[in-house]
Amino acid sequence: ETGVTQTPRHLVMGMTNKKSLKCEQHLGHNAMYWYKQSAKKPLELMFVYNFKEQTENNSVPSRFSPECPNSSHLFLHLHTLQPEDSALYLCASSQTRNTEAFFGQGTRLTVV
Amino acid sequence: GDSVTQMEGPVTLSEEAFLTINCTYTATGYPSLFWYVQYPGEGLQLLLKATKADDKGSNKGFEATYRKETTSFHLEKGSVQVSDSAVYFCAYIIQGAQKLVFGQGTRLTINP
Repeated sequence: ETGVTQTPRHLVMGMTNKKSLKCEQHLGHNAMYWYKQSAKKPLELMFVYNFKEQTENNSVPSRFSPECPNSSHLFLHLHTLQPEDSALYLCASSQTRNTEAFFGQGTRLTVV
Repeated sequence: GDSVTQMEGPVTLSEEAFLTINCTYTATGYPSLFWYVQYPGEGLQLLLKATKADDKGSNKGFEATYRKETTSFHLEKGSVQVSDSAVYFCAYIIQGAQKLVFGQGTRLTINP
């Protein structure tokens, strides 16, 4: 148990579907992150939120839409994805932007 | 630019062997350094960290020393176990930045 919980753990969706990934942290942290982990590629930082405000978007396509309603919850809304978007999506949180991050177990997404 | 370079994997060792996974970094500023571990089907877990030069981080028999003069943070363990089989990531964060910079990961397999 890392204090960061992601749901669902596995998701299969069609290219025309809309789904959402959820992340919840129980650590009292102020910063939250979405990362994408694809096979044989480095970890890619997608979005950063600090005190509920988005502070970084690493040129992520608009078919990925993040939402951070409070410092404990982070969502990633997905629509009209492509098969190449299949990956492990990792959520993380940290006390501040300058300290180590704690990761959830990830959502394994498959787009068919 | 800012980057982390890790030893190419995969690395395969026998149980009780000595482990070294090399990590060097390029950073503008004075980073804090981390090793993360990812077990199969899981997210990343913080393994150890060091925040200033000559600090030694240690956990679960693993050690790494912050070497500012060589910009390195090599991971070592004296006697590995089958349960150490995982992917290991070296990473850093710089004061004032807002994201971890990760290496590409090194897959370690320990055979009984």
